Order: sequence, then structure tokens, then C-alpha cells
Amino acid sequence: GENVEQHPSTLSVQEGDSAVIKCTYSDSASNYFPWYKQELGKGPQLIIDIRSNVGEKKDQRIAVTLNKTAKHFSLHITETQPEDSAVYFCAASNVNDMRFGAGTRLTVKP
Amino acid sequence: ETGVTQTPRHLVMGMTNKKSLKCEQHLGHNAMYWYKQSAKKPLELMFVYSLEERVENNSVPSRFSPECPNSSHLFLHLHTLQPEDSALYLCASSQVPGSSNEKLFFGSGTQLSVL
Repeated sequence: GENVEQHPSTLSVQEGDSAVIKCTYSDSASNYFPWYKQELGKGPQLIIDIRSNVGEKKDQRIAVTLNKTAKHFSLHITETQPEDSAVYFCAASNVNDMRFGAGTRLTVKP
Repeated sequence: ETGVTQTPRHLVMGMTNKKSLKCEQHLGHNAMYWYKQSAKKPLELMFVYSLEERVENNSVPSRFSPECPNSSHLFLHLHTLQPEDSALYLCASSQVPGSSNEKLFFGSGTQLSVL
């Protein structure tokens, strides 16, 4: 089955700096890679996703890159703001199975 | 709001109690899920319902019993739980049944404590 590793587990940045979270996966059949943001007291919310036929996708200050050969994908947040503070989860999915990483707690210091 | 509502938000129960978690989705989706979230661990899929039929049960102990009476409602019935079952239980829905390759919409969860 799929195994998703996520790093780092915690990340602290200064407001305005960039943050990068990395994930690796094991199943070469995985073709869908979503990222979820979970704020305190709430459930995870999808913030961006990418499918395997695309190498990069951007939405305002967030972007995701995918390297299928190396089986890793990354979330990039630029110009971080205090409201970006949350736990971020990556996931890798094929048609039958979606597996999540263990999460990264991002803290943006004002 | 995500369109997925879970009640109660918090639940404390003894090991001999019976309780139920409720989930309702207002998105017109055809698949619903129960996930378990424990600290510093990946989300664990427990049950999947697609078009009101259970399609996946990831070896969950029988003390957890799901029920999906229609495509908008999902329940998780709990009985004789153990302290290690304490966790955040998340309900989710997605539009397309029979596929994991879809966006999930999560509720805010029920924080369960088993004493």
C-alpha cells in the first residue's frame, strides 16, 4: 500500500518569509496529490491539489510542485502571514486509496 | 463552513457507555467517510460509504459501528470503547462515489475522550 512521509513535522518562520513542506510517496500508481490545512478546532480544508499530469500548480501565495520520477511533492507558501499558522497535511492517492502524511505544524511569527 | 456538520463537538464517555456520532453533509455528495485523527499521526480511514453502501472497512474493531441511512447522513455508533480510542473523529464527503481520487470536504470533528 501507499506510504507517505512528510517533513518537517514543525516549521517556524518569520512573517513575510517563505515556507516549504515536503512529502514523499511510495506507490508509483498514485496520481492525485492534495494538500489540506487544519486550523485549531476545525477539520482539514483542501487548499490546493495537483494531478500527475502536471508538474506545478500555483494559486496566489501557494504553489505545489510534483516530481513523479523521484516520487516527491512540495508545498510552497510565499509571503507568509500569521493566518497561515496551522497544521498542513499532504496526501497521495490512486483510485482506490488515499494516504495522508503525519502533518506539519507551521507557525508564522509576526 | 465546509458544508459538513458534525455533532457533538466534544464527547466524554466511559468504557461501558454507548454513544453515537452524527454527520450531515449539505453538498449533494455521494460518498461519505469516517476518519480517526490521533496526535502526530496520519489520518486513518475507518469507513467509506458510496451511494449509501459500505465499500471499505479498514479493519476497524467491531466496537465501532457505522450507519448510513441516506446519502446526506452518516453515523458512528460507539460501544465498549477503550481509552486508546480517544481521538478526533472526522467525517468527510466527496462528490464522486467509488473513487479515492477526489477532493474531500471535512467536518470539524468530534473530540472523543474515553475514560
